Amino acid sequence: KQEVTQIPAALSVPEGENLVLNCSFTDSAIYNLQWFRQDPGKGLTSLLLIQSSQREQTSGRLNASLDKSSGRSTLYIAASQPGDSATYLCAVKGRSGGSNYKLTFGKGTLLTVNP
Amino acid sequence: DVKVTQSSRYLVKRTGEKVFLECVQDMDHENMFWYRQDPGLGLRLIYFSYDVKMKEKGDIPEGYSVSREKKERFSLILESASTNQTSMYLCASSTDPLLTSVIGNEQFFGPGTRLTVL
Repeated sequence: KQEVTQIPAALSVPEGENLVLNCSFTDSAIYNLQWFRQDPGKGLTSLLLIQSSQREQTSGRLNASLDKSSGRSTLYIAASQPGDSATYLCAVKGRSGGSNYKLTFGKGTLLTVNP
Repeated sequence: DVKVTQSSRYLVKRTGEKVFLECVQDMDHENMFWYRQDPGLGLRLIYFSYDVKMKEKGDIPEGYSVSREKKERFSLILESASTNQTSMYLCASSTDPLLTSVIGNEQFFGPGTRLTVL
């Protein structure tokens, strides 16, 4: 059964710092990995999707990498801003067994960027 | 832009009531999903549907049922609400991985419904 772990659970940084959020998964048989952002009391906003054949994806100040063989992904945020404060979730879509449609989520990293 | 909407942002119900949560997507997606999100437990899949009138149980289907009569609409039903079903409920949709060769197949989420059962 796929398990997704995100470390750290919470992170507090001063504005302007570059930072890295980590995600690891136990079963490397995946279609893709998706990073989401969630503001308090709101739904999830998709940030980046990395297909299993890709190594990284970039969008603005965000860069996500995928190392499928080691079961790891990182989300790099450059020049962090207070508006980046949110919970960041990673999720993998498995391709083994009956999991072809399902995402397995980590529990998230709560990021606080202090002005 | 993909849009997934949910019928209510906040809902308060009493124990034993029948509760309907509605979700509508406007991108002709084949797959739709219902999750619940609880502190410390993360997101857990309740049910999903990969076509009209088709449904499959997720990880925690007990106490819930679903209905998908039209492609754009996926309903979650709590037959007899209980206090342990107090939670944030999130709906999502995506294209079918077997039909699209690619890239894409992101899941898009609605804004969530915070349900309180008293």
